[in-house]
Amino acid sequence: DGGITQSPKYLFRKEGQNVTLSCEQNLNHDAMYWYRQDPGQGLRLIYYSQIVNDFQKGDIAEGYSVSREKKESFPLTVTSAQKNPTAFYLCASSSVGGADTQYFGPGTRLTVL
Amino acid sequence: AQKITQTQPGMFVQEKEAVTLDCTYDTSDQSYGLFWYKQPSSGEMIFLIYQGSYDEQNATEGRYSLNFQKARKSANLVISASQLGDSAMYFCAVEDSSYKLIFGSGTRLLVRP
Repeated sequence: DGGITQSPKYLFRKEGQNVTLSCEQNLNHDAMYWYRQDPGQGLRLIYYSQIVNDFQKGDIAEGYSVSREKKESFPLTVTSAQKNPTAFYLCASSSVGGADTQYFGPGTRLTVL
Repeated sequence: AQKITQTQPGMFVQEKEAVTLDCTYDTSDQSYGLFWYKQPSSGEMIFLIYQGSYDEQNATEGRYSLNFQKARKSANLVISASQLGDSAMYFCAVEDSSYKLIFGSGTRLLVRP
């Protein structure tokens, strides 16, 4: 079955530690995205990538880093520089071009203790 | 910059009745896309319906339809024959010229039996 997988579903980390969230897709999509969702709010874009080995900052990139070495994979690292990392993180992918729907993974809930 | 406004934080609807979820948007782009997503308590974002800014017909997908009023910059979601499984958060989003999605703050819909 084609889709987007994110792991782990729940993640607990101590303050000051870097943590990497996994996102993999087998939809053959060129573009991938990372969003953050805080309780009771909508999604905000962290980073996006429209092609392998290239990515751009979204609206809230500070304290995060990404890589796009393979088309299928777009891992997100939450660094110790991110002041308030506890949130729900969603990964999405789409074909490149207009009117191409973004499809989402199941999300990772990160709690920093 | 694009902006999405969803003015209804919460809505109730009786099972089997129709409900309209409001969405207004602000964009300077001539060509854009409008999306609605459903987020059940599990957290994943489920794509419901898409409307292109140049589409003259309102989009429909099964029980979902989009009431698109371009001059008013309005893209309301209509759910007909509500079911208990429709209880969820609903997000409206506009796609900007870089194919990024800008999300509203969402509406929580509760379907009463």
